[in-house]
Amino acid sequence: DGGITQSPKYLFRKEGQNVTLSCEQNLNHDAMYWYRQDPGQGLRLIYYSQIVNDFQKGDIAEGYSVSREKKESFPLTVTSAQKNPTAFYLCASSGGYSYNSPLHFGNGTRLTVT
Amino acid sequence: SQELEQSPQSLIVQEGKNLTINCTSSKTLYGLYWYKQKYGEGLIFLMMLQKGGEEKSHEKITAKLDEKKQQSSLHITASQPSHAGIYLCGADLNTGFQKLVFGTGTRLLVSP
Repeated sequence: DGGITQSPKYLFRKEGQNVTLSCEQNLNHDAMYWYRQDPGQGLRLIYYSQIVNDFQKGDIAEGYSVSREKKESFPLTVTSAQKNPTAFYLCASSGGYSYNSPLHFGNGTRLTVT
Repeated sequence: SQELEQSPQSLIVQEGKNLTINCTSSKTLYGLYWYKQKYGEGLIFLMMLQKGGEEKSHEKITAKLDEKKQQSSLHITASQPSHAGIYLCGADLNTGFQKLVFGTGTRLLVSP
């Protein structure tokens, strides 16, 4: 079955360490996204990529970095510069430039930084 | 401030009762998406609305987009425990690429 796989489900890190969250999709989608979800704030867009080797900052990109070397993969690195990294991170993909293409989401990674 | 306002923030209904969740924006909604989320999991796509006045149904869930394309409602008929979860609306505000903004969600509990 096609879908989006995020790993790991839970991640614990010490403050000051960088950490990379994995996102893989086999839906053959061009576009991929990273959202952050915090209680009471809904989902906020971190980065998105329309095509391989290209990506753009979303609304809250500071302290994060991404790469898109392969169509199926869009890893997110949470750097030590991110002031409040503890959150639930969701990866999504879509067919891209189309109002008819809903986002498909992975099951998320819960990151806790202490 | 939120570009998409959802109400209510939380809802407890007795099994078998009907309920409505609202999603409102001050901007035109070029695509309105409803998702359901179980706590600690990803979002499951429910329905998408594009045209003013459009209405879609799936099983016991009906979603509508008003004529002005600034408000959507999600109505559940004869609620069941399986309907419990967090319902989120997401919208394309015509930013040039399919970047969705999301409401803060409505937490639904269905009591037996």
